[in-house]
Amino acid sequence: DAGVIQSPRHEVTEMGQEVTLRCKPISGHNSLFWYRQTMMRGLELLIYFNNNVPIDDSGMPEDRFSAKMPNASFSTLKIQPSEPRDSAVYFCASSPDGQEGQPQHFGDGTRLSIL
Amino acid sequence: DAKTTQPNSMESNEEEPVHLPCNHSTISGTDYIHWYRQLPSQGPEYVIHGLTSNVNNRMASLAIAEDRKSSTLILHRATLRDAAVYYCILPFSGGGADGLTFGKGTHLIIQP
Repeated sequence: DAGVIQSPRHEVTEMGQEVTLRCKPISGHNSLFWYRQTMMRGLELLIYFNNNVPIDDSGMPEDRFSAKMPNASFSTLKIQPSEPRDSAVYFCASSPDGQEGQPQHFGDGTRLSIL
Repeated sequence: DAKTTQPNSMESNEEEPVHLPCNHSTISGTDYIHWYRQLPSQGPEYVIHGLTSNVNNRMASLAIAEDRKSSTLILHRATLRDAAVYYCILPFSGGGADGLTFGKGTHLIIQP
């Protein structure tokens, strides 16, 4: 069974450019999460979806960040315009819906560098 | 998520057992205890979880104190591949439908 798939694995772009990160959750999982990891702040939850509906986006740092989940098998995290302080590793995770104690399964992350 | 406290780092020798402690004195009766680990350059990986009883799986064992205010992750025979940051987390809704709050975790160093 394939795990959570993220693309690209690495992204280097210049400040001001639009960046789109992609995630394919595990088939059958109804919850999808986006996290960001930096040395300074550690792992932070940005937003999560349940049955394709955004439930909590309080972790999204600014309006420059947006996330969508058009269907159960795909989600995007977009940054427009990007800034150097957005450089981080972005992780996507998925889990079965609403079951007590169910773990989250993480992808390998996208390492984003904004120059 | 309820707050957890873990040592910043621990060191152990290869092929020896490792006991990673976690304090969670504000745990509520319905809070599950989850452990994740993150190997270098990888995403977090689920290790084990429990509610009240001790739990075993192929990766580790979880020993939960009777008052549930602390728990210990046990790696029975550490290998170099177990060197990672280990996170003890009490998810708000049990772990599935809500996001996780990661603390700083415990950096486990394994000496050959």
